[in-house]
Amino acid sequence: KNEVEQSPQNLTAQEGEFITINCSYSVGISALHWLQQHPGGGIVSLFMLSSGKKKHGRLIATINIQEKHSSLHITASHPRDSAVYICAVGGHYGGSQGNLIFGKGTKLSVKP
Amino acid sequence: KAGVTQTPRYLIKTRGQQVTLSCSPISGHRSVSWYQQTPGQGLQFLFEYFSETQRNKGNFPGRFSGRQFSNSRSEMNVSTLELGDSALYLCASSVGQSKRPETQYFGPGTRLLVL
Repeated sequence: KNEVEQSPQNLTAQEGEFITINCSYSVGISALHWLQQHPGGGIVSLFMLSSGKKKHGRLIATINIQEKHSSLHITASHPRDSAVYICAVGGHYGGSQGNLIFGKGTKLSVKP
Repeated sequence: KAGVTQTPRYLIKTRGQQVTLSCSPISGHRSVSWYQQTPGQGLQFLFEYFSETQRNKGNFPGRFSGRQFSNSRSEMNVSTLELGDSALYLCASSVGQSKRPETQYFGPGTRLLVL
């Protein structure tokens, strides 16, 4: 079993829909990261969470430390949100932050 | 501030050759991590350097090595290339405070094709 599991693997939505991507992890961590990767490969960090909830524009990320679960929500989705969204955890087993374990990613396609 | 830069961006090599990839972190960042991304395995941690010392190493064979210079720039080397080494190699930098959660800033990656 992977230490970081994401669902769904693929997601197709219509423009304007509310989107949720889930991430579960099985190790103790100090931070969870949500990353966005567009075709071409570059990765952008969207959020880093240790507890609670963060919001940036139309994106919201939440984490429940006790349940080892995080969600990434996109409100009023737009075709430019089409990308792969990756969940990653750091500080596992008390280690450093630069050693991330990644989920397999969720490929999101938003249709106009 | 300039972002994380990686050179070269694309590389084609043949089996048995060796390759060196370079990563320049954001100014002031002292931690550099390297990751390999393949369609089959996804993103996997290779190693992390901080202040010229390897702080962590992932589960990769000894053909994969790296180093960090005093200006925090880092290089990784892959010797005796195999077809399976074809991948996107990403580096990420952060300030480097080991135990505190930190945002990781990723470079654009080097796409390596081994023929």
